[in-house]
Amino acid sequence: DTAVSQTPKYLVTQMGNDKSIKCEQNLGHDTMYWYKQDSKKFLKIMFSYNNKELIINETVPNRFSPKSPDKAHLNLHINSLELGDSAVYFCASSQSFGNTEAFFGQGTRLTVV
Amino acid sequence: RKEVEQDPGPFNVPEGATVAFNCTYSNSASQSFFWYRQDCRKEPKLLMSVYSSGNEDGRFTAQLNRASQYISLLIRDSKLSDSATYLCVVNITGNQFYFGTGTSLTVIP
Repeated sequence: DTAVSQTPKYLVTQMGNDKSIKCEQNLGHDTMYWYKQDSKKFLKIMFSYNNKELIINETVPNRFSPKSPDKAHLNLHINSLELGDSAVYFCASSQSFGNTEAFFGQGTRLTVV
Repeated sequence: RKEVEQDPGPFNVPEGATVAFNCTYSNSASQSFFWYRQDCRKEPKLLMSVYSSGNEDGRFTAQLNRASQYISLLIRDSKLSDSATYLCVVNITGNQFYFGTGTSLTVIP
């Protein structure tokens, strides 16, 4: 069983469209994240949710809206997609106590054309 | 200023060589520290946690210097399969993982 799973794995879409990426974790973790990895390979944190509540929003445009229906799911909706949104988006989860590591999903490669 | 600074490399070393990566972090309240490995077109995966006393896992040794806010990773007897990007990671409050830019390693036959 995949611990952190995100769908879709690949997403090609036109500028201006709205798209969603889904993420689920079966590790029982209380914190989930979205990261963006751009063409320079830098992994930048976008959002962090703890028990369904937003705790980090790292100056991400309003077009990006995360939604956490429960602590095992964190979805990412993107409105009015732009060329610069093309990147790999990684979902991750961790336990907020115990200083344990974060586990990552396989990534969603988004290409905006 | 970035939370975590790392030399991006690339490091190209022959098989059997010893190679060291370093990183520094800016937030003195950082709680936990890790090295992750990322292969091409794959997700980052934990290589090892880093403890204040230093820790070793086979050919890999990690060190933490809290006073200097400095983390290191030493790889001995490099293998071709060690070729990857190594990411220094700092967790600040228990749920804020910040990544360095990664150091690219290529082990050459």
